[in-house]
Amino acid sequence: DVKVTQSSRYLVKRTGEKVFLECVQDMDHENMFWYRQDPGLGLRLIYFSYDVKMKEKGDIPEGYSVSREKKERFSLILESASTNQTSMYLCASSGTSPYNEQFFGPGTRLTVL
Amino acid sequence: KNEVEQSPQNLTAQEGEFITINCSYSVGISALHWLQQHPGGGIVSLFMLSSGKKKHGRLIATINIQEKHSSLHITASHPRDSAVYICAVTTKKLVFGQGTRLTINP
Repeated sequence: DVKVTQSSRYLVKRTGEKVFLECVQDMDHENMFWYRQDPGLGLRLIYFSYDVKMKEKGDIPEGYSVSREKKERFSLILESASTNQTSMYLCASSGTSPYNEQFFGPGTRLTVL
Repeated sequence: KNEVEQSPQNLTAQEGEFITINCSYSVGISALHWLQQHPGGGIVSLFMLSSGKKKHGRLIATINIQEKHSSLHITASHPRDSAVYICAVTTKKLVFGQGTRLTINP
């Protein structure tokens, strides 16, 4: 079974803090993704990576950065957290084919106070 | 207009009823996915299809490429089917619908 794990299920941070969200997958997948999910807006792509050290902006990259130093690990970084970044964050991974399904992690519910 | 539209947004039904959730899309796709998200956040892939019909247990997914439309059906619905069902299409990336919140009452 593919397993995608995220470092925290719940996280509470203060405005201005630097926040790291970690995602690890164990299926040697090339592609990894970070989404945020908000009521009424559905899932929106923040960043994705198709190889180690490669990254591409998604639909809403502002205020976020990512790091992929190893194939199995994809980190999302909030350089200076703001209250409008309070959200559910979901990581996913997949193989390279467009027919590959994406496997999702359990999500991290981040609250920024 | 969203590239992927789902209907209805919310659906409440009684146990045993036949459920249909619809998904329409406006872009060229290589595949369409149906996902299930239970309270707590985890998302599970139910189906991925590029043509025709797939069945898994009480769940059936169909797609009509010409009409750019897909449906997810649940037969003999059960309270444990209560979840958010999300349609997503693969273009260069995955584009998601807003989800359908399904509640099945006993």
